[in-house]
Amino acid sequence: NAGVTQTPKFQVLKTGQSMTLQCAQDMNHNSMYWYRQDPGMGLRLIYYSASEGTTDKGEVPNGYNVSRLNKREFSLRLESAAPSQTSVYFCASRTGLNEQFFGPGTRLTVL
Amino acid sequence: QKEVEQNSGPLSVPEGAIASLNCTYSDRVSQSFFWYRQYSGKSPELIMSIYSNGDKEDGRFTAQLNKASQYVSLLIRDSQPSDSATYLCAVGPGGADGLTFGKGTHLIIQP
Repeated sequence: NAGVTQTPKFQVLKTGQSMTLQCAQDMNHNSMYWYRQDPGMGLRLIYYSASEGTTDKGEVPNGYNVSRLNKREFSLRLESAAPSQTSVYFCASRTGLNEQFFGPGTRLTVL
Repeated sequence: QKEVEQNSGPLSVPEGAIASLNCTYSDRVSQSFFWYRQYSGKSPELIMSIYSNGDKEDGRFTAQLNKASQYVSLLIRDSQPSDSATYLCAVGPGGADGLTFGKGTHLIIQP
C-alpha cells in the first residue's frame, strides 16, 4: 500500500516549456487534489477532482490544466511554464471524513 | 475569501513541556478541522482531525475546537525534539472542496 505517489520528484524547466506532473493513489479514494506550496504563502489549492470524470478550479488555477485519467490517477499539466510557477507541488487524496493524505511532492524550478 | 490564521513563530518550548498551537478561521460554515505536521523538505502529515466542539485526544496530542469562537488549537504534551517541525492548521467544508490551510507555525523543542 503505497498511498499517494508523485512523479517526478524534481524538475527544472525553461520558461515556455511544458510538462505533466503525475499523481496516483491506491486507497480507492474518490476525490483528489493538487496544491502548490510557496514560502510565506502556505498551501494553495490549484485544482481538484471530486470524483472520476469531474474537475474543478481551486484558488490558483491560472496556467494549469488537469486530467482525471481514472479513479487512481490525477495529472497536472503546465502548458507554458513561467518562473512564477516555481514551487513545490503536492497531490492529495481524500477520505470520506475529509481527511487528506499527501504525496511526497514535486519540486519544480522554472528558469 | 476563506482565511486560516496562525502565528508563524518560531515557538520555542523546552523539552518535556506542553506546546500550544493556535489557529482561527473565517468561514463559519466550516465542518472539518485538521492539524498537519510538516518537516523541512517533506510533505504534510496528518496528525489530528476534529469535527465537533470540545477536545479530542490521541496519545500526546490534543485538538480543541470552538466553533462559536472559530478557534482550533493543538496541544502537544511531553514535547520531544522530534516534535520540532512546522504545524499546519487546515479547515474544510463538509463536501469534497479542498482544504484551506494556514501558513503554519514553526515549533522548536529545545533539549
